Amino acid sequence: KNEVEQSPQNLTAQEGEFITINCSYSVGISALHWLQQHPGGGIVSLFMLSSGKKKHGRLIATINIQEKHSSLHITASHPRDSAVYICAVRFYGGSQGNLIFGKGTKLSVKP
Amino acid sequence: EPEVTQTPSHQVTQMGQEVILRCVPISNHLYFYWYRQILGQKVEFLVSFYNNEISEKSEIFDDQFSVERPDGSNFTLKIRSTKLEDSAMYFCASRYDTSSEQYFGPGTRLTVT
Repeated sequence: KNEVEQSPQNLTAQEGEFITINCSYSVGISALHWLQQHPGGGIVSLFMLSSGKKKHGRLIATINIQEKHSSLHITASHPRDSAVYICAVRFYGGSQGNLIFGKGTKLSVKP
Repeated sequence: EPEVTQTPSHQVTQMGQEVILRCVPISNHLYFYWYRQILGQKVEFLVSFYNNEISEKSEIFDDQFSVERPDGSNFTLKIRSTKLEDSAMYFCASRYDTSSEQYFGPGTRLTVT
């Protein structure tokens, strides 16, 4: 079965801390997405990766295809980063781009 | 910046009633999706739509559900006879092609009483 696992489920950090959220998946993928879901429910796409590393502001996403693992890093975390971060993948054979989602990591950054 | 829009933001309906959730994808996008998220659970794929037909659907997307692109701009999800367990947040998404990013709408919260 095609699975996406995230860790940790919940994460509390102090403002300024470096944060890492992990995602692993069971079989080969054609792309991996990191998404941010705000308390109101809306989903924002942060990154789409198929290899290597991407950076946007204080956010960095990496993927290791051989190990079937991706990480999302937040540098100099801020309370406004508090949200649920979701890893979603498109497995090989998902030709229309359907995404399979992880359960999400709930991040709370305290001032 | 172009965005996916959804209406209404919140819909309350009685069990057994039909509901239509509406989405306006980004105008030059070709692939369209519906996802749902039951409160406290992960987001789940419902259906994908391309070239005016369903390209894939999950086991959740049974005969009670249908999708339509009636006029070239709207993309709708219809639930024929709602059940309590249909209560969820429904997200529409679109993308230009299968190698590009998906853009999500803000969601419609459906509450079935």
